[in-house]
Parts: sequence; C-alpha cells; structure tokens
Amino acid sequence: EDQVTQSPEALRLQEGESSSLNCSYTVSGLRGLFWYRQDPGKGPEFLFTLYSAGEEKEKERLKATLTKKESFLHITAPKPEDSATYLCAVHGSGNTGKLIFGQGTTLQVKP
Amino acid sequence: DTGVSQDPRHKITKRGQNVTFRCDPISEHNRLYWYRQTLGQGPEFLTYFQNEAQLEKSRLLSDRFSAERPKGSFSTLEIQRTEQGDSAMYLCASRLGANTEAFFGQGTRLTVV
Repeated sequence: EDQVTQSPEALRLQEGESSSLNCSYTVSGLRGLFWYRQDPGKGPEFLFTLYSAGEEKEKERLKATLTKKESFLHITAPKPEDSATYLCAVHGSGNTGKLIFGQGTTLQVKP
Repeated sequence: DTGVSQDPRHKITKRGQNVTFRCDPISEHNRLYWYRQTLGQGPEFLTYFQNEAQLEKSRLLSDRFSAERPKGSFSTLEIQRTEQGDSAMYLCASRLGANTEAFFGQGTRLTVV
C-alpha cells in the first residue's frame, strides 16, 4: 500500500539555524513527489515536484532532494516567516493523479 | 484571481443538517479533486473528477456524501445528515495533467455542533 511518513512531527529552530525535514515513501512506481507549505487555516501551497532520484530543486531558502526511498526539504538560515506546516505527497495507485500525503512537519522559527 | 476558489470558507451547522460546498477550479484544469483534512493530519483523498465524470471515490466517502461537477466546471460536495465526525477542513484541488502539480483552494472549514 502507498504510504508517506514525515519526520519530525514538529521542529523548533532559532532564526538562522539550518535543518532538514524528512519524507519517507513507499509507492509502486514513483510518478512524482510533491512538497507543499500550509499556513494555519489555509490550503496547501505548492512548492516543488521531484520525479527521479538525484533530482534537486531550490526556491529561496528551501532545497528539496530525492532518493529512491525518501526526500529531504533542507531549510537554510530560516526566518520566522518560514514557520508553517510542510507536507509531502506522492501519487497514489491508479491513473487519477490523487495524492497520498504524509501527516506533515510543523516548523516554528523563533527570532 | 485565477486560483482555485472555495465557498464558503467557514460553515457551522447542527448535527443532522445538510451542507453543500462549492469549488471553482482553475479554468483550464480538467482534473478536480476533493480532500478532507483533520487537525494535525495531512489531507486525505475523497473523490476525483475528470471533466464532468466522477472517476474515483474513496472508501472515506460514505453514502451521506455526494459530489457533482456539472458541465465539467465548478464542483459541489454535499454532506447529508451531518455528524460531529464530519468536522474537518474540506479542500478542493485542480490540475491540468495527471503528473503536474495540483493547486489547492483555501478550503472550507466545517464545524458540526
């Protein structure tokens, strides 16, 4: 069964303290791994799509990487405005393109 | 605004009442999804439309839930005889192709009292 597990569930950082979020996945034939950011009370906001092992994508202080079993979201020198829940998802089985999400990592960056 | 639009943003209803939510996807997107998200969890897939055809429904979608997408444009999600366990954020997403990114609306927060 397709499954996505994120760790840690919560992460507290000081401003400027770099760290990484982990997303482990089990899926029969990866057709895309997606990272989203979600602010409280709002819908998920798309960040990155990764398709194959070794692929990397960057946006401002965020960098996403992909291996055959997991993905990392690296946050370099975070700022308080990076505080949010970060969600990882993969395509589920079948051809509908439905997403299977992890439970998310809630990041708090203190000034 | 060309993003995914959901209405209402918040809904409080009494147990046993019916509620209906609306989603307007990005105009050129033919694929539309409904998800449900409870506190501290990631979104869970409910149902999928390609144009006007409903092609997949999750086991989470009990017979009290029904979704439509007339003419392949906006979609509605109706919950009949609401229960307290239906309290959640209901999210709509649309995408252009199966492997492209999905864009989400701001969600409808349902509270059943």
